[in-house]
Amino acid sequence: EDQVTQSPEALRLQEGESSSLNCSYTVSGLRGLFWYRQDPGKGPEFLFTLYSAGEEKEKERLKATLTKKESFLHITAPKPEDSATYLCAVHGGTSYGKLTFGQGTILTVHP
Amino acid sequence: DAGVTQSPTHLIKTRGQQVTLRCSPKSGHDTVSWYQQALGQGPQFIFQYYEEEERQRGNFPDRFSGHQFPNYSSELNVNALLLGDSALYLCASSLVTGELFFGEGSRLTVL
Repeated sequence: EDQVTQSPEALRLQEGESSSLNCSYTVSGLRGLFWYRQDPGKGPEFLFTLYSAGEEKEKERLKATLTKKESFLHITAPKPEDSATYLCAVHGGTSYGKLTFGQGTILTVHP
Repeated sequence: DAGVTQSPTHLIKTRGQQVTLRCSPKSGHDTVSWYQQALGQGPQFIFQYYEEEERQRGNFPDRFSGHQFPNYSSELNVNALLLGDSALYLCASSLVTGELFFGEGSRLTVL
């Protein structure tokens, strides 16, 4: 069974203080690893898909990286508007379309 | 271009009642998935529909059922509601092998 664990559960940063979020996973045949952002009371917003170890993708202040066991979401010089819950999910090889999500990391950026 | 739309946005039911939630996928998408998200947790996969057939199902009881229509829209039905069914129900659409795009969700409260 696919499993995803995210750490830390919550992260508080000062504006401009760079940091990283971790997503550890176990899966039979990774088809894709996904990062989503979720604001309170809203649906998840798609950020990135990573398919193979060594792959990296960037969007504004966010950069996602992938190894064979984990993924990192690096946040460079964050702003208060980056405050949200960040969700990691995997699509395993034994699944048609099911994504298995972690519990999320709640990021708070203080001005 | 309209994204994924869900209705209703909020609803309150009592134990034992039945509920129907509706979803219209993003234009051009043919696959619809449903997820349940309890407070403070990541989304949990309920099932996925493609070509009007249930393609894959998560670990949810038969009280949870669904349907996909020829225009790709979908319904989620939950019978004999329990207090534990209180959650945010998320619909996501995709092409059969693509990234999931989520709606804003339907917040169900069971009293």
